[in-house]
Amino acid sequence: DIQLTQSPSFLSASVGDRVTITCRASQGISSYLAWYQQKPGKAPKLLIYAASTLQSGVPSRFSGSGSGTEFTLTISSLQPEDFATYSCQQLNSYPLTFGGGTKVEIK
Amino acid sequence: EVQLVESGGGLVQPGRSLRLSCVASGFTFDDYAMHWVRQAPGKGLEWVSGISRNSGSIGYADSVQGRFTISRDNAQRSLYLQMNSLRAEDMALYYCAKDMGQWVTDRDAFDIWGQGTMVTVSS
Repeated sequence: DIQLTQSPSFLSASVGDRVTITCRASQGISSYLAWYQQKPGKAPKLLIYAASTLQSGVPSRFSGSGSGTEFTLTISSLQPEDFATYSCQQLNSYPLTFGGGTKVEIK
Repeated sequence: EVQLVESGGGLVQPGRSLRLSCVASGFTFDDYAMHWVRQAPGKGLEWVSGISRNSGSIGYADSVQGRFTISRDNAQRSLYLQMNSLRAEDMALYYCAKDMGQWVTDRDAFDIWGQGTMVTVSS
């Protein structure tokens, strides 16, 4: 199985900060990676797919990059509504796997 | 409105069975693959199972292989998960999720999620 390791697991930041979250795969997955945002008590929401394609309706302050084994999710200017948990998912091979999540909290 | 609504969760004893359902609306259900994803309390997301648009391709996580069965009824716009021999570690919120592609092998992300149905396994 492909393991996804996210770092950091917890991040404290202020409104307006630039935030970067990393997802590392245990083996190459090309660009078959997605990022999701999840708020407490809510379902995950797709932000980025194919490593760098912004899902329709998602603000442009979110961006994704990477290929192979290392990927990043960047929020260019953190907004109050962005405080949530972010998870990566590999879609390269079965079983599909998710990273452990990165919780972004208010500093 | 594009929507997925899960049902069927509840409290069940270890070793017993439960069947989850997910009803879709607002999109052409039989055009897309579908999945079940679960999340144990305070934990991360775990993919459980996926099924292609015509049920021709199905996949399971190792943790549920042989105990869970995914199925769909395109006429009823419904997805199901039959869960047998339930264990304490199966306790989680179960989400139904729509694939962006037709086939589970398309390597597409999940763009629509339901609100989940909770499964509690306890004696």
